[in-house]
Amino acid sequence: GQQLNQSPQSMFIQEGEDVSMNCTSSSIFNTWLWYKQEPGEGPVLLIALYKAGELTSNGRLTAQFGITRKDSFLNISASIPSDVGIYFCAGRPNNDMRFGAGTRLTVKP
Amino acid sequence: GAGVSQSPSNKVTEKGKDVELRCDPISGHTALYWYRQSLGQGLEFLIYFQGNSAPDKSGLPSDRFSAERTGGSVSTLTIQRTQQEDSAVYLCASSPWKGANQPQHFGDGTRLSIL
Repeated sequence: GQQLNQSPQSMFIQEGEDVSMNCTSSSIFNTWLWYKQEPGEGPVLLIALYKAGELTSNGRLTAQFGITRKDSFLNISASIPSDVGIYFCAGRPNNDMRFGAGTRLTVKP
Repeated sequence: GAGVSQSPSNKVTEKGKDVELRCDPISGHTALYWYRQSLGQGLEFLIYFQGNSAPDKSGLPSDRFSAERTGGSVSTLTIQRTQQEDSAVYLCASSPWKGANQPQHFGDGTRLSIL
């Protein structure tokens, strides 16, 4: 079963707004990953985090690996309509991968 | 191709039939994973292969599910005597190796519908 708690489940925002979503875990993770999935496609990697405290940006996306190694957040600034999709966090407690249930993002023009 | 390729992209079958789903990983990737994604849900780990090591089958939901990986490349996921709750998208992913720092690259999945 899932070991990650991802929130919020869904978000409805206006174009131009900033977005924040996060994941928490009951166990320590060595790696945190953020993926985006669009309808009919597989998840695509957005950002990978490998060290506690690491803050990484990819364009308008910023993600951080929590100091406790049990959480991570993803921020999207100045959202645009093409940001629509489901965002998944994923983490490696050791050599396995666990996924959050996803955050469904809707952006209204 | 450059990415992970899965086939078929869609499969509709009757309850009780067997199905085979295929995954072609990225060339040179030694680690291969299968996940199941039910409608609106996250990804449920099923099985992974790493090189010539014995596969980790800990996520397979029942003995009706099995998977093979031939020659360290192509993998097939087989579901026997399908049931309606098997309806889902089955995703395959590969990575260069199963180390902690290797993100997975996903195919577009096979959407399986059991009537």
